[in-house]
Order: sequence, then C-alpha cells, then structure tokens
Amino acid sequence: LAKTTQPISMDSYEGQEVNITCSHNNIATNDYITWYQQFPSQGPRFIIQGYKTKVTNEVASLFIPADRKSSTLSLPRVSLSDTAVYYCLVGDFKAAGNKLTFGGGTRVLVKP
Amino acid sequence: DTAVSQTPKYLVTQMGNDKSIKCEQNLGHDTMYWYKQDSKKFLKIMFSYNNKELIINETVPNRFSPKSPDKAHLNLHINSLELGDSAVYFCASSLEGRTRNNEQFFGPGTRLTVL
Repeated sequence: LAKTTQPISMDSYEGQEVNITCSHNNIATNDYITWYQQFPSQGPRFIIQGYKTKVTNEVASLFIPADRKSSTLSLPRVSLSDTAVYYCLVGDFKAAGNKLTFGGGTRVLVKP
Repeated sequence: DTAVSQTPKYLVTQMGNDKSIKCEQNLGHDTMYWYKQDSKKFLKIMFSYNNKELIINETVPNRFSPKSPDKAHLNLHINSLELGDSAVYFCASSLEGRTRNNEQFFGPGTRLTVL
C-alpha cells in the first residue's frame, strides 16, 4: 500500500470550498485513491474513490493529475457539519486482502 | 435500518477480565473487519473475515480472537484485558466484487476502557 502524506489540519469557514491535497509518490499502477470521512465519535465513512482525472459525486470531487502522484479532495461550500477528519488511502485494496491502511488524516474545522 | 451495528457502545472493565464486542451487518456483505483506533486517532486493521475464513490477521496479541457464527456477524473476544487495550474498536463490512475498489461500511464503534 502506498504511503500517503496529507496536512494535519485545515481551518475553513462556512460556504467556502475546502481542498485537501494528498501526496502519494509511490503509487502503483493498480492502486486506487480513496477518501474517507470520520466525524467525532463515529466510524469512517466512504466519500469518494478515483483512479485518474476527475471524479465527482454528491458530496465531493476528486482531482487526480496525470502522473497520479497526488490527489485533491474538494469539498464545495462547506458547512459546520463538514467538520471531521478526512483520510486519504491509496492501494490495490483487493490485492491487499481488502485491507485499508489509515494514516493520520486531515482534521478540517469549519468555523461559522 | 442500521447497516453495521455494534454492542456495546461503551465498555468499562477491569484488567484481567474477558470481554466480547458484538458486530452485525444487514447489508448482505461477505467480508467483515475489526479495526482499533487508539488515543492518537490512528486506525489500524486487526482482522478481516471472508466467508467465515480469516484472511487478514495483523500482529495483534492472541488474546484477541474474532468469532464469526455466520456471514452477518463478526464478534471480537478479548481475554485477559490489559490497560493498553483501551481504545475504540470499529467493526466494518464490505462486499467482494463491487465496482468500487472495496468500499467499507463502518459501525459506530465501541469505546473500551480498561481500569
């Protein structure tokens, strides 16, 4: 599983767009990029997954450049309820026995 | 309509005791997991069970043992509890063959405190 590096914390304000960049220089060909969100006192929740270019769903967008050595999770117009820890995971999860390896994550604090 | 449930939510016990945490999923998934989140909030996988067969067993003490009576349940038994076992334990499940590369659904967690 590829090693990932992401900022420890970020502050934002309601209504702003939050972009969290994750570095994964040793990403392998079969690796996917997955983001999870964890609210206080809850289990992590899948947000989005991508392999290349751009992926968008109702919650977020994921931007992956051509070299795939980094990725950016974009949360549009955040609200107070988006305060959480966001984890970037990179790997060929099926080949790894469906094992998810979580790093320290990025603590996002949304202020009023 | 809870997808992945765990009981109890809180567990306070003395050192040396034996305890169990139960996990149930109603998603029809075939793989279940146990994770441990320590005080520094790092989340680490402990076990992975697929079709009642252990497929991942990270380097956890053999005092921890997963028990799966059926595909919908994966319970965690802990013998001779130690202070260092205090943490939040999360159960999760997933379905093989999904389009997504293993999206896992997590339970609400069980906060274990060993005194």
